[in-house]
Amino acid sequence: DSGVTQTPKHLITATGQRVTLRCSPRSGDLSVYWYQQSLDQGLQFLIQYYNGEERAKGNILERFSAQQFPDLHSELNLSSLELGDSALYFCASSALSGANVLTFGAGSRLTVL
Amino acid sequence: AQTVTQSQPEMSVQEAETVTLSCTYDTSESDYYLFWYKQPPSRQMILVIRQEAYKQQNATENRFSVNFQKAAKSFSLKISDSQLGDAAMYFCAYRSGGNQFYFGTGTSLTVIP
Repeated sequence: DSGVTQTPKHLITATGQRVTLRCSPRSGDLSVYWYQQSLDQGLQFLIQYYNGEERAKGNILERFSAQQFPDLHSELNLSSLELGDSALYFCASSALSGANVLTFGAGSRLTVL
Repeated sequence: AQTVTQSQPEMSVQEAETVTLSCTYDTSESDYYLFWYKQPPSRQMILVIRQEAYKQQNATENRFSVNFQKAAKSFSLKISDSQLGDAAMYFCAYRSGGNQFYFGTGTSLTVIP
């Protein structure tokens, strides 16, 4: 157990729908990162939050949005889903101090039919 | 922006032998961290080893060691006494001074019994 909790683990939905992925960072970590990994692909950085504020934005579609709440958990909202959005979505957290290791959750596997 | 390059999409090694995975990066920063992550078939991202750029000594974690050549911007991973459980996708990652993480495209390692 990495200490980063992601829910749900698996999600199957239809095109055009909206889903929310949830992430609780490791205790003490203030920063949350979201990544998308399509089948047999690398990690695509989506967005980063630090203590509730957006810190950096990557290749995140306009149909996607995220936020980090005062209790530091984060949610990634995916709307108007398309078949190509099927992927493994990782949340990772970091303390942004010291060795600053990125600790990953187990991922949320999204299938869009 | 920093880039991380893994030029070997696939590698294979005989069980008990040694294999080296290559990684190069491009940066103008002097202070940064480098990481190797392992992604087994379970798709969980697991930290293998990390290296601080200001340390000249190469990091070692049991059978895993790195060859860090700062001037050449090279960061290779050596796996000694390869085991079947080492079969996975390996990602090289760079953490900038601004706490952004950049990942390579990965090297798929096969361990042959």
